[in-house]
Amino acid sequence: SQQGEEDPQALSIQEGENATMNCSYKTSINNLQWYRQNSGRGLVHLILIRSNEREKHSGRLRVTLDTSKKSSSLLITASRAADTASYFCGIPPGDSSYKLIFGSGTRLLVRP
Amino acid sequence: DTGVSQDPRHKITKRGQNVTFRCDPISEHNRLYWYRQTLGQGPEFLTYFQNEAQLEKSRLLSDRFSAERPKGSFSTLEIQRTEQGDSAMYLCAIPGATNEKLFFGSGTQLSVL
Repeated sequence: SQQGEEDPQALSIQEGENATMNCSYKTSINNLQWYRQNSGRGLVHLILIRSNEREKHSGRLRVTLDTSKKSSSLLITASRAADTASYFCGIPPGDSSYKLIFGSGTRLLVRP
Repeated sequence: DTGVSQDPRHKITKRGQNVTFRCDPISEHNRLYWYRQTLGQGPEFLTYFQNEAQLEKSRLLSDRFSAERPKGSFSTLEIQRTEQGDSAMYLCAIPGATNEKLFFGSGTQLSVL
């Protein structure tokens, strides 16, 4: 299965701290994507990192990809209460469908 | 605004009833995806369309489920004889211009009593 698995399942931090969550996967990938989901809403795309990239930044987000370890990490720096959400990694299965397979997510709570 | 509208936002039904959800992409795209998400889990792929053709169905999509995309624009997902296990958020998504990232609607939350 191409399904990514996020770790930890839940994370609680104080506002201003950094939050790191990880995603592991099983087979070769072309890209890996991170999404955010607020309670009761749909997923929102955050960042896409390709297999030939090792690190990517977007605002307070930093994503790394280690294809040798088949893992990725999402770092949110200087967290805010508004960052409270669930975060998912999405992996395309490599066929022609372009669908994404998601893990169970990391539930992040940022305490004010 | 993700460019994907889903209706209704919430649906409460009794076991055994039929329900239908609708997904309306604001912009045209040849692909459209349906996912199901249960509490505390990630979205699970159900099916996708290339224009009006349904090209792949997950084994999660039992014969009580049917999806259509009659004109290659909006899509409907119908569940017949609902069961309590069908209670979930049903999400619709369309890809971006490069067919890589997905844009999701806000979903339809189904509760089967």
